[in-house]
Amino acid sequence: AQKVTQVQTEISVVEKEDVTLDCVYETRDTTYYLFWYKQPPSGELVFLIRRNSFDEQNEISGRYSWNFQKSTSSFNFTITASQVVDSAVYFCALSEAANAGGTSYGKLTFGQGTILTVHP
Amino acid sequence: DAGVIQSPRHEVTEMGQEVTLRCKPISGHDYLFWYRQTMMRGLELLIYFNNNVPIDDSGMPEDRFSAKMPNASFSTLKIQPSEPRDSAVYFCASSLGGYRGNQPQHFGDGTRLSIL
Repeated sequence: AQKVTQVQTEISVVEKEDVTLDCVYETRDTTYYLFWYKQPPSGELVFLIRRNSFDEQNEISGRYSWNFQKSTSSFNFTITASQVVDSAVYFCALSEAANAGGTSYGKLTFGQGTILTVHP
Repeated sequence: DAGVIQSPRHEVTEMGQEVTLRCKPISGHDYLFWYRQTMMRGLELLIYFNNNVPIDDSGMPEDRFSAKMPNASFSTLKIQPSEPRDSAVYFCASSLGGYRGNQPQHFGDGTRLSIL
């Protein structure tokens, strides 16, 4: 069975600090997909990024960057120069590829979330 | 483009009452998911549909819960009778294709349900 563990339950930083949220996953599949979602205080879930298991290139989007390391089963998320608006709960999630030949969907398994608070 | 639309945003009702949550997926998306979020259990997948057909309802907690998708643009999650432990935030999400699990799910704003 697949499992996602977000190492930090809560992180508190001061504005402009860099912060890394760690995500470790378990899966028996060789093909799978990893996601990060953001849940701001308003409650909605916002999709941030998707990564394929066969693509270990790191990705940068503005102040956000993601480090995927298959060897350690980790998919970590770094915010550079954090801002108060980054305060939110961040979720890492895993989806395994569907069963071959069927319509079964790879279920999305979420980690428990990391609460990030950025203080001014 | 309109995102996933859920209604109501908030629902407060008394134990024993029937509750119906509604969801309109993003137009053209062929997968629809219902999740429940609680402090204790986090985000749990309840059920999902593909082309309006329920594929996996193993996450539905009890027979009191039921979900339907009569057409591609509408789904309901019903709880009858409701109990205080059903209090949670219920999310609906949709995605395009992605039967291999590689497409992101786009979430609605959620329905915050309180059963007194």
